Amino acid sequence: EPEVTQTPSHQVTQMGQEVILRCVPISNHLYFYWYRQILGQKVEFLVSFYNNEISEKSEIFDDQFSVERPDGSNFTLKIRSTKLEDSAMYFCASSRGTSGRGNEQFFGPGTRLTVL
Amino acid sequence: AQSVTQLGSHVSVSEGALVLLRCNYSSSVPPYLFWYVQYPNQGLQLLLKYTSAATLVKGINGFEAEFKKSETSFHLTKPSAHMSDAAEYFCAVRADAGGTSYGKLTFGQGTILTVHP
Repeated sequence: EPEVTQTPSHQVTQMGQEVILRCVPISNHLYFYWYRQILGQKVEFLVSFYNNEISEKSEIFDDQFSVERPDGSNFTLKIRSTKLEDSAMYFCASSRGTSGRGNEQFFGPGTRLTVL
Repeated sequence: AQSVTQLGSHVSVSEGALVLLRCNYSSSVPPYLFWYVQYPNQGLQLLLKYTSAATLVKGINGFEAEFKKSETSFHLTKPSAHMSDAAEYFCAVRADAGGTSYGKLTFGQGTILTVHP
């Protein structure tokens, strides 16, 4: 069964450093998403991406964040200068569509980012 | 705009007992509703979804949920809990019709289910 994969599973970085979180969405999906979950809090939407551009982003997704689909398979989230409050579990998701039946999002296992 | 409230951050049941996890939603358009489960150190797995076809939705692992528009609820139930059901459960809403939301899911706070032998 196809699945969304994410690497690394755990990333530790120093404050101010750049990190890139990687995701491989399901191959025939067209819409890609990043969510994050700070420890003890709810899962929050960050950004959605379609046709090589951002289709929607939350207020969390400021200039420190960027997304990219550098090739036909990978989908990346970059944080340019990490802050302590960026420590969270980051989930990638993908879907075939955004509305109607059968277009549910499939989630990867997450990358736990720890900023020291 | 849409929102989800899950009543009870922790629910504890005995093995074999009824599981009831509560979810209430708010949406300005007819919603699509989802329940996801997260096992320790794993990602979010879709349990079931409401997509307006039927109000009683059956999912995996014996779970089901009923959409009640009058109560704006989508509670998750399972008649008999199993030890393997211990996990965190998330209710989520997606606004589809006529909005500017490109598939964004809005999640509730999550409910941790503990099952005692």
